[in-house]
Amino acid sequence: AQTVTQSQPEMSVQEAETVTLSCTYDTSESDYYLFWYKQPPSRQMILVIRQEAYKQQNATENRFSVNFQKAAKSFSLKISDSQLGDAAMYFCAYSKDDKIIFGKGTRLHILP
Amino acid sequence: ETGVTQSPTHLIKTRGQQVTLRCSSQSGHNTVSWYQQALGQGPQFIFQYYREEENGRGNFPPRFSGLQFPNYSSELNVNALELDDSALYLCASSLSKGGKDTQYFGPGTRLTVL
Repeated sequence: AQTVTQSQPEMSVQEAETVTLSCTYDTSESDYYLFWYKQPPSRQMILVIRQEAYKQQNATENRFSVNFQKAAKSFSLKISDSQLGDAAMYFCAYSKDDKIIFGKGTRLHILP
Repeated sequence: ETGVTQSPTHLIKTRGQQVTLRCSSQSGHNTVSWYQQALGQGPQFIFQYYREEENGRGNFPPRFSGLQFPNYSSELNVNALELDDSALYLCASSLSKGGKDTQYFGPGTRLTVL
């Protein structure tokens, strides 16, 4: 069965610094999709970044980028120039066909 | 463009009762997925509806059931409520079935079972 593991329940980073959130997953599939979602306090969950497993190039969205290591089944999220608005729960998710699996999340604190 | 909406915002029920939660999908989306998010946990996939048919189900018992209507809005029904059903229930809509597309989430319904 597929699993998604986020090994860091909480992390803190100084404003304007860079932070990396870890995610590993387990699958025997070769074609699938990976996502990072952000859930701010009392606000709706929104997509941060999406990666298609058949694409070797790492996805990037402004200050957010991923390090996708398919062989290692690792999908880490790097946030550059951290801002106070980045404080949230971050969830890594895996999907294949009709299966969508989320990790337990990492709570990110931004220190002013 | 109207986002995903859910009703009610909060709900308190007692054990054994039944509950219906509602979700309106984002304009143009024909797929709705439902998730249960316990406190401090990630969302767990309950099921997905595509064009009024169930398309995939997570590890939830049959007392969790759903419907999707011709306008692609959806309902989640839970029968015989248990204390462990207390959670935030999230609805998400997407452009197509499966999980490859971005999920657009609603604000959730907080269900408390006493």
